[in-house]
Amino acid sequence: NAGVTQTPKFRVLKTGQSMTLLCAQDMNHEYMYWYRQDPGMGLRLIHYSVGEGTTAKGEVPDGYNVSRLKKQNFLLGLESAAPSQTSVYFCASIPGSVRGAGELFFGEGSRLTVL
Amino acid sequence: QQQVKQSPQSLIVQKGGISIINCAYENTAFDYFPWYQQFPGKGPALLIAIRPDVSEKKEGRFTISFNKSAKQFSLHIMDSQPGDSATYFCAASSRGGGNTGKLIFGQGTTLQVKP
Repeated sequence: NAGVTQTPKFRVLKTGQSMTLLCAQDMNHEYMYWYRQDPGMGLRLIHYSVGEGTTAKGEVPDGYNVSRLKKQNFLLGLESAAPSQTSVYFCASIPGSVRGAGELFFGEGSRLTVL
Repeated sequence: QQQVKQSPQSLIVQKGGISIINCAYENTAFDYFPWYQQFPGKGPALLIAIRPDVSEKKEGRFTISFNKSAKQFSLHIMDSQPGDSATYFCAASSRGGGNTGKLIFGQGTTLQVKP
């Protein structure tokens, strides 16, 4: 099993460009999350999904959109990239059961630089 | 608003020493407190977790101490080893509100264990 796979791993964008980060999980997990990691800020939740076809806002949703068309995939989009979105992005998932609550399985991250 | 505050930001410990990282939370609805370990270039991975019905949990050299009245919890790494050098995140979540599994993370602590 690959677990949680993120693509691309690295990307450089110019201000105003758009892009999509793809997260794929092969564990049949119900819940999926997108976090961003910045020095001194920890991990902050951008958007999350509790099932196929559902999405919800996290702590820092502005400037991002997401879609969960298939259970195994969770896409994070930047419509018009800004330098403030330079960060490392992590996707994570959990089974969705009460017992699994909080035990996130993370991907290896996608490093995005916006010039 | 930072709901989980973590300290120190960085920590240097000699091999064989004890590493201590502290976290404080504000939301009394939190009922799950995990610690995640992250090595450079990798995603965070669950290290150990505690629920508020116990005051301490030990797994090998890693111990969580939990003080519900003070709304604080800490990670103790006994006999610290160079292989423990990593970034550590505390986190908290609540099973209320539909059990979305959302984790709120602390700011992170970079631990360096010197040989």
